[in-house]
Amino acid sequence: DGGITQSPKYLFRKEGQNVTLSCEQNLNHDAMYWYRQDPGQGLRLIYYSQIVNDFQKGDIAEGYSVSREKKESFPLTVTSAQKNPTAFYLCASSAPGGEKLFFGSGTQLSVL
Amino acid sequence: QKEVEQDPGPLSVPEGAIVSLNCTYSNSAFQYFMWYRQYSRKGPELLMYTYSSGNKEDGRFTAQVDKSSKYISLFIRDSQPSDSATYLCAMSAGAGNFGNEKLTFGTGTRLTIIP
Repeated sequence: DGGITQSPKYLFRKEGQNVTLSCEQNLNHDAMYWYRQDPGQGLRLIYYSQIVNDFQKGDIAEGYSVSREKKESFPLTVTSAQKNPTAFYLCASSAPGGEKLFFGSGTQLSVL
Repeated sequence: QKEVEQDPGPLSVPEGAIVSLNCTYSNSAFQYFMWYRQYSRKGPELLMYTYSSGNKEDGRFTAQVDKSSKYISLFIRDSQPSDSATYLCAMSAGAGNFGNEKLTFGTGTRLTIIP
């Protein structure tokens, strides 16, 4: 089945630690996105990539980094510089000229 | 003031009732309007997509856009327990990949349909 796979489902970060969230898609989509969802707030865009080897900062990129070495993969690293990382992280993709975002099932990140 | 305002609820209605969910916005450049449904601890899925003003119907769901009032609505007829979820409105001025990189989401309304 085509779709977006995020892993792990739950992740715990210790103080000062970098953690990486995985996002893989087999929809052959060019564009991929990372969102952060906090209770009482709308989805906020962290980073997006419209093509391999290129990505742009979204509204809240500070403390995060990404790479796009393959079309299928768009991992997100939450660095120690992100002081409030506890949130539900969602990866999405869309086809060229497509208005529809396809979302993964999300990763809940918590701080130990 | 937020660009998109959405009543967070929670909203509880009996099975079979008509549900009305709403968002208001302040950016007159928005012209693409969407409703996403999100089940607990899952990713959102697109329910309805509308361009500019007007109505769009899909089964039990109807999306309305009133650009003059900067107001959008989602109506659910004959509501079912399986409709219990959080509903997110989203909008964009477009351009590029339909402006997906510039989507602005509402905070979501949590809906419960009581059997």
